[in-house]
Amino acid sequence: AQSVTQLDSHVSVSEGTPVLLRCNYSSSYSPSLFWYVQHPNKGLQLLLKYTSAATLVKGINGFEAEFKKSETSFHLTKPSAHMSDAAEYFCVVSDRGGGGNKLTFGTGTQLKVEL
Amino acid sequence: DTGVSQDPRHKITKRGQNVTFRCDPISEHNRLYWYRQTLGQGPEFLTYFQNEAQLEKSRLLSDRFSAERPKGSFSTLEIQRTEQGDSAMYLCASSLEGASQAFFGQGTRLTVV
Repeated sequence: AQSVTQLDSHVSVSEGTPVLLRCNYSSSYSPSLFWYVQHPNKGLQLLLKYTSAATLVKGINGFEAEFKKSETSFHLTKPSAHMSDAAEYFCVVSDRGGGGNKLTFGTGTQLKVEL
Repeated sequence: DTGVSQDPRHKITKRGQNVTFRCDPISEHNRLYWYRQTLGQGPEFLTYFQNEAQLEKSRLLSDRFSAERPKGSFSTLEIQRTEQGDSAMYLCASSLEGASQAFFGQGTRLTVV
């Protein structure tokens, strides 16, 4: 069975400062890991994905995440936050190695960006 | 093709009534998934189809829930005798078999009063 733990339910940053959203995973398989973002009244959008290639994954809107097997972590970072980044972020693990299979979501981290 | 579409976007129903939601996946995608998201939580897997075959169901999917994908294209999710605990966002996603990404619709928000 697989699971993800998002360590912070809420994160608040100032515009222009770095963003760090933490995620730890547990998986019986070699995992595929994803970060999705959910803006109010909009669908879930894929930010980035790790599928056993490069451990540092770059995504859209300047986000990136690093897969660290020794720490079972997949933290999401961005060097400089923008007001438009305010949203809910979900760390997700997929069984059987692909996002085309069942996804297990974390409980989410609400990111607030202040002026 | 504009992505995964779900209908309706919002549904308010009285407790005990039946409701049905529809999902139209991206046309060439053979896998279709249903998830449920309650307030303050991440989406939880309910069930998925490969073509018309329902391959897996979560234990969250009680006997009051049924999903179909009769022709391997659109899918419906029916909830019978709705309860207040069924109030949630119901999300549909689709993908190609073996692909590394699933695409989500905007969801149907169900409120049971």
